[in-house]
Amino acid sequence: DSGVTQTPKHLITATGQRVTLRCSPRSGDLSVYWYQQSLDQGLQFLIQYYNGEERAKGNILERFSAQQFPDLHSELNLSSLELGDSALYFCASNKLGGGSEAFFGQGTRLTVV
Amino acid sequence: AQSVTQPDIHITVSEGASLELRCNYSYGATPYLFWYVQSPGQGLQLLLKYFSGDTLVQGIKGFEAEFKRSQSSFNLRKPSVHWSDAAEYFCAVGGPGTASKLTFGTGTRLQVTL
Repeated sequence: DSGVTQTPKHLITATGQRVTLRCSPRSGDLSVYWYQQSLDQGLQFLIQYYNGEERAKGNILERFSAQQFPDLHSELNLSSLELGDSALYFCASNKLGGGSEAFFGQGTRLTVV
Repeated sequence: AQSVTQPDIHITVSEGASLELRCNYSYGATPYLFWYVQSPGQGLQLLLKYFSGDTLVQGIKGFEAEFKRSQSSFNLRKPSVHWSDAAEYFCAVGGPGTASKLTFGTGTRLQVTL
């Protein structure tokens, strides 16, 4: 158990819908990352937050947004969903950003039908 | 921009044989390097990390990796592979500072034959 909790574990939704994925980081970790893993794209970095502020952005679509709350949990919002958004979405956390190892949650498997 | 290349998409080895998974990175300063393993349906687990010092680092499950600055490489090795090592392996590069991020390679899938 990495200490990073992601909910829900599985999500099935229709195209055009909006979903929210939740991540609770390890106790004491200030930095949260979101990654998307699909068969054709591999592991793609989406966005990083550090202590409530956005710190780095990757290949995140405009239809996607995220935030980190004062209690340090984070949410990833995916809207106007398309079939191609079906993927495994991982949250990871660490204390210092890229300078320390990140601990990964078990992921949320999103299926868009 | 930082990047990681794992040239081997899929590798098959026999149980008991040695293993080397290749990783090449691009990073503008001294990199922080990591290897992660992902078993089917699971999240990524850290195998080992390199920040500074001894260029040969030991990790969990009998894995080791060697940092070679001149070759921009951080290859993962194991002297004798077990069937339970079958998984996907990811190399990642990061750096200091709270604004830095981890960049992952596309992974190498390891199959172990008995």
